[in-house]
Amino acid sequence: AQSVAQPEDQVNVAEGNPLTVKCTYSVSGNPYLFWYVQYPNRGLQFLLKYITGDNLVKGSYGFEAEFNKSQTSFHLKKPSALVSDSALYFCAVRDIGGGGFKTIFGAGTRLFVKA
Amino acid sequence: SQTIHQWPATLVQPVGSPLSLECTVEGTSNPNLYWYRQAAGRGLQLLFYSVGIGQISSEVPQNLSASRPQDRQFILSSKKLLLSDSGFYLCAWSAGQTNQPQHFGDGTRLSIL
Repeated sequence: AQSVAQPEDQVNVAEGNPLTVKCTYSVSGNPYLFWYVQYPNRGLQFLLKYITGDNLVKGSYGFEAEFNKSQTSFHLKKPSALVSDSALYFCAVRDIGGGGFKTIFGAGTRLFVKA
Repeated sequence: SQTIHQWPATLVQPVGSPLSLECTVEGTSNPNLYWYRQAAGRGLQLLFYSVGIGQISSEVPQNLSASRPQDRQFILSSKKLLLSDSGFYLCAWSAGQTNQPQHFGDGTRLSIL
């Protein structure tokens, strides 16, 4: 069965510092991986995805993610954090079984960026 | 471009009352549609998904039901709300291919009194 884990409930960084939000996954077969961000009282917004190809994926708002097959990880990164990046971040994996219609989300990591 | 509309944004209902939340998608055809519930600003629980008109898959047994009367319309219903039905309900759509992301509405915050 597919699964995804976000080991940190919360990540605190200072504005201007690099940030990393961790994600590990477990899949049978090739993984389809996604990152989403959620601001208060809003729906989730798609940031980036890894399907195949280059292990470093670039997405919206300056975010990028590194796919590491040997470590089964897909960590979200940004070189310089902004206060406006403070939000709830979700890692997700597409459940290929049963037609691939479902997405399994991690529990979420809350990012606080301090000015 | 594609857009997803979800309403109402906020709803307060008494225990035992009925519920109808509506979600519509514009700018795409034959989308996959999803209803999620999010408790306490954390993880998402998939409630229902649909790959076509009249085709509904339920993920968890519960007090809720879903219907898809039109290609781009997805409705979440209940005949009698329970206190435990309180939460933040999110509708989402995705294109048919499995490598495509989901796109979410802005949700309905449902409070049961």
